Amino acid sequence: AQTVTQSQPEMSVQEAETVTLSCTYDTSESDYYLFWYKQPPSRQMILVIRQEAYKQQNATENRFSVNFQKAAKSFSLKISDSQLGDAAMYFCAYSKYNNNDMRFGAGTRLTVKP
Amino acid sequence: DVKVTQSSRYLVKRTGEKVFLECVQDMDHENMFWYRQDPGLGLRLIYFSYDVKMKEKGDIPEGYSVSREKKERFSLILESASTNQTSMYLCASSKGQGGWTGELFFGEGSRLTVL
Repeated sequence: AQTVTQSQPEMSVQEAETVTLSCTYDTSESDYYLFWYKQPPSRQMILVIRQEAYKQQNATENRFSVNFQKAAKSFSLKISDSQLGDAAMYFCAYSKYNNNDMRFGAGTRLTVKP
Repeated sequence: DVKVTQSSRYLVKRTGEKVFLECVQDMDHENMFWYRQDPGLGLRLIYFSYDVKMKEKGDIPEGYSVSREKKERFSLILESASTNQTSMYLCASSKGQGGWTGELFFGEGSRLTVL
């Protein structure tokens, strides 16, 4: 079974600085997708960024980028120029292509200090 | 703006009570999901549905059942609530196989406390 591991239960960053959240996963599949979701306090979880495993180029969405290392099965999220609104739980997730069984990590709680 | 709405944000129930958690989506999505979120465990799939009246068990279906009579509505039922079902419950929806992107759209969650 596929598993997703987030080894950092909590992280903190100073406003305007950069922080990297770690995620590793285990799979024998070749065609899969990886995701980072953000869950702000008392608000809906939303998709931050998605990476297709067949793409070598790392995905980027504004201040959010990933470092996808397929051989190492690593998928970290970098948040640049951190803002107070980035404070949230962040979940790494894995899914085989066109499959409804998405696997989530335990989450990392990010605190942003003013 | 896409929306997944869960009927109750906070519920307090007693052991043995029957509990209904309702979820409605307005995006015409084929897939709907119920997850349970617990600290340190992330999200665990209880049930999902890929079509009306269709359902599939997830990782932790014991003690739960679901109902999907209409495409937009997916209900989670706890037949006899127990204290170990105290948790945050998240509903989500997504496009079906024809338009699959993998993106899940979540509701705000229902925090259930069973006394």
